[in-house]
Amino acid sequence: DAGVIQSPRHEVTEMGQEVTLRCKPISGHNSLFWYRQTMMRGLELLIYFNNNVPIDDSGMPEDRFSAKMPNASFSTLKIQPSEPRDSAVYFCASSSTSGRPGRELFFGEGSRLTVL
Amino acid sequence: GQQVMQIPQYQHVQEGEDFTTYCNSSTTLSNIQWYKQRPGGHPVFLIQLVKSGEVKKQKRLTFQFGEAKKNSSLHITATQTTDVGTYFCAGDIVTGANSKLTFGKGITLSVRP
Repeated sequence: DAGVIQSPRHEVTEMGQEVTLRCKPISGHNSLFWYRQTMMRGLELLIYFNNNVPIDDSGMPEDRFSAKMPNASFSTLKIQPSEPRDSAVYFCASSSTSGRPGRELFFGEGSRLTVL
Repeated sequence: GQQVMQIPQYQHVQEGEDFTTYCNSSTTLSNIQWYKQRPGGHPVFLIQLVKSGEVKKQKRLTFQFGEAKKNSSLHITATQTTDVGTYFCAGDIVTGANSKLTFGKGITLSVRP
């Protein structure tokens, strides 16, 4: 089975440009998470969706960041305009809340963003 | 602020030595998970602990959940170079109707051959 698929794997852009990161969760999973990883701050939860509905976006840094999940098989994270401090690895993860306690996350391979 | 703590962030061991790391939460957790991230890779789920005092083993790795469900430990017996990577704990904190999985900053383990 395919895991969580993210694109692009690498993106280099200039400050001020719009960046769109994409994620396809594992089929059948009903929760999707966007994380950002940096050396300084570690893994930070940006936003997560349950059944395509945003549940907690308190980790979204500011209005420049937005995330959507138009259907169960696709999500985007957009940064507009991008800034150098947005440089990080962005991970998408999905899980299934099938009623049992806890929910292991399956991470994609990440999108490494560099903003010059 | 950070509710799940992992200190230190780095540890170096000689191959064959045992290694133990701890994870502490300021609040009671409904469950705790451990993940491993190899250099350049992505976090991969290792295990989940749910019950107070629970102990689980995976080959040379032993995971324990504290009695108060506020801390956890990971012990690796006789480390090997394949154990290199960053180990994250993630605590599930329930607030109201929702739960939030909060990751610690991880501990990066290097193993000298």
